[in-house]
Amino acid sequence: GESVGLHLPTLSVQEGDNSIINCAYSNSASDYFIWYKQESGKGPQFIIDIRSNMDKRQGQRVTVLLNKTVKHLSLQIAATQPGDSAVYFCAEIHGSSNTGKLIFGQGTTLQVKP
Amino acid sequence: NAGVMQNPRHLVRRRGQEARLRCSPMKGHSHVYWYRQLPEEGLKFMVYLQKENIIDESGMPKERFSAEFPKEGPSILRIQQVVRGDSAAYFCASSPQTSNTEAFFGQGTRLTVV
Repeated sequence: GESVGLHLPTLSVQEGDNSIINCAYSNSASDYFIWYKQESGKGPQFIIDIRSNMDKRQGQRVTVLLNKTVKHLSLQIAATQPGDSAVYFCAEIHGSSNTGKLIFGQGTTLQVKP
Repeated sequence: NAGVMQNPRHLVRRRGQEARLRCSPMKGHSHVYWYRQLPEEGLKFMVYLQKENIIDESGMPKERFSAEFPKEGPSILRIQQVVRGDSAAYFCASSPQTSNTEAFFGQGTRLTVV
């Protein structure tokens, strides 16, 4: 079946280190991917997105990499800060969908140690 | 410009009662999505609405759940005869007419069925 999943449920990093959060997806028809950050008790917050015709996109301290060959998506956070502690979700929109419906993965908890 | 507003933030219902969850989209947004998040899980799509129209309800349970987005007023997610399994966080997202991929999430309603 269709799924978007994450390799590791919890990632613990030292403050100042770089973080890499991974995501595997199974639907090759997906053409748009988004990373969300969800802090405790809050709604998902958009971080960065990437379309399937790209393999890399950079934002402020974050980079998303897309490898369509192996259906893999990653989020890199540079110089991780305590405020980055949250659950991170990848989500996809299928190319056949014109509704913007998001398919979410299970989430990775990022813990930043001071 | 206020964000997506959901109320109530927390809702407690006894089994068999009805739950009504409200979502006011961002100003100028005419597309509304509802997602459900069970503890320790990712968000699951429920329904996608535009003003006075249900566009995609493929994620809605067949019974007890309904949604509407009237011409005036907020979108309503209604759960009749709630059961303990309905306990979850319910998130609403809205997007502008021009881009279904720019979805902004509300803070969610946490429903607890006792």
